[in-house]
Amino acid sequence: GAVVSQHPSWVICKSGTSVKIECRSLDFQATTMFWYRQFPKQSLMLMATSNEGSKATYEQGVEKDKFLINHASLTLSTLTVTSAHPEDSSFYICSAGTGAGANVLTFGAGSRLTVL
Amino acid sequence: GENVEQHPSTLSVQEGDSAVIKCTYSDSASNYFPWYKQELGKGPQLIIDIRSNVGEKKDQRIAVTLNKTAKHFSLHITETQPEDSAVYFCAASIQWADKLIFGTGTRLQVFP
Repeated sequence: GAVVSQHPSWVICKSGTSVKIECRSLDFQATTMFWYRQFPKQSLMLMATSNEGSKATYEQGVEKDKFLINHASLTLSTLTVTSAHPEDSSFYICSAGTGAGANVLTFGAGSRLTVL
Repeated sequence: GENVEQHPSTLSVQEGDSAVIKCTYSDSASNYFPWYKQELGKGPQLIIDIRSNVGEKKDQRIAVTLNKTAKHFSLHITETQPEDSAVYFCAASIQWADKLIFGTGTRLQVFP
């Protein structure tokens, strides 16, 4: 079945630094990838939709300059948290689909970011 | 935009009993409704899904029902086992958009 790999699975960084999280589709081409954020004991909140070769579409309230998304190939999307602060600490999860309206999305295992 | 509500937020059952989780959605254009199981520190795993042209779908101990008129859908787990303990999320999406809007989650605990 379809596999989505996220890296790193966890990261600790100092306040003010930037952190990059990678999301890779291992055995299929993902024309669309989605980035979610999940706080402890809460639901997944959609941050942005990433389409290969074009700019990401951000949900209302998500700062595009804070959360940089790049989807340069059909198998890789990256999320960069710029100038991270403690309030950015969260579980970040990506999902990938073929973009064909098939709806079945595969989720990565998530990346836990802790900003000190 | 779409809004998905989920109840209950926590559910405790005895092993072997059934568990039911309910969700309602707001956008009548939504036509795809998956259910995910999330274990601690892991990403969501799809356990079952249903499309709007079907009223019920079953896969072994898990079933999902959909009432389009009332805009609600439910997850039914029968003969629960301790390994069913996890957080369950419902979600909804419009087919062409693919993006999923998640419910608030239900923490299911199955006691031996």
